[in-house]
Amino acid sequence: NAGVTQTPKFQVLKTGQSMTLQCAQDMNHEYMSWYRQDPGMGLRLIHYSVGAGITDQGEVPNGYNVSRSTTEDFPLRLLSAAPSQTSVYFCASSYQPTSGFNEQFFGPGTRLTVL
Amino acid sequence: GEDVEQSLFLSVREGDSSVINCTYTDSSSTYLYWYKQEPGAGLQLLTYIFSNMDMKQDQRLTVLLNKKDKHLSLRIADTQTGDSAIYFCAEHHPDDKIIFGKGTRLHILP
Repeated sequence: NAGVTQTPKFQVLKTGQSMTLQCAQDMNHEYMSWYRQDPGMGLRLIHYSVGAGITDQGEVPNGYNVSRSTTEDFPLRLLSAAPSQTSVYFCASSYQPTSGFNEQFFGPGTRLTVL
Repeated sequence: GEDVEQSLFLSVREGDSSVINCTYTDSSSTYLYWYKQEPGAGLQLLTYIFSNMDMKQDQRLTVLLNKKDKHLSLRIADTQTGDSAIYFCAEHHPDDKIIFGKGTRLHILP
């Protein structure tokens, strides 16, 4: 199993550009989530999904869109990048979605810089 | 809303015990987790505790939970250089949001 994969590893964007961060998992996990990690701010939840076709907002959803058309993929879209979105983005997945024990497996991260 | 609070830094001498504290926000949280992040890597689950437990021990790790005060702690006995990392507590809300704290950077002194 490849686990949770994220592409690209690094990305530089100009303000106003759009892009999609890819996340895929091959563990048949129902639950997937996106976090951003900033110095002094820890990990903040952007969006999450408890299964295909279902998404919900986390703590900091503004400026980001997600969709979950398949169990395996959970892309994160930046519609119009802003310097405040410069961060390291982590995707995570887990097996148990609903109120049960939920060990999340994290991808290696995407380091995004917006100029 | 409220944040999951952790102190940002902790320095401990090798061989001593480390205690990392966390205050969480939702008294209805079902599980509380501790994750470890080594430099340049993603997070990995270290241990967890179910909300109806007070304590959980796992080798060198001891988790204490005080539900009344919404306080969680992680004790690492006999701290080693390999324990140097950032430690995150996280709470599992009833709506399945999993919210992390800011992380505590553990520095080991020789």
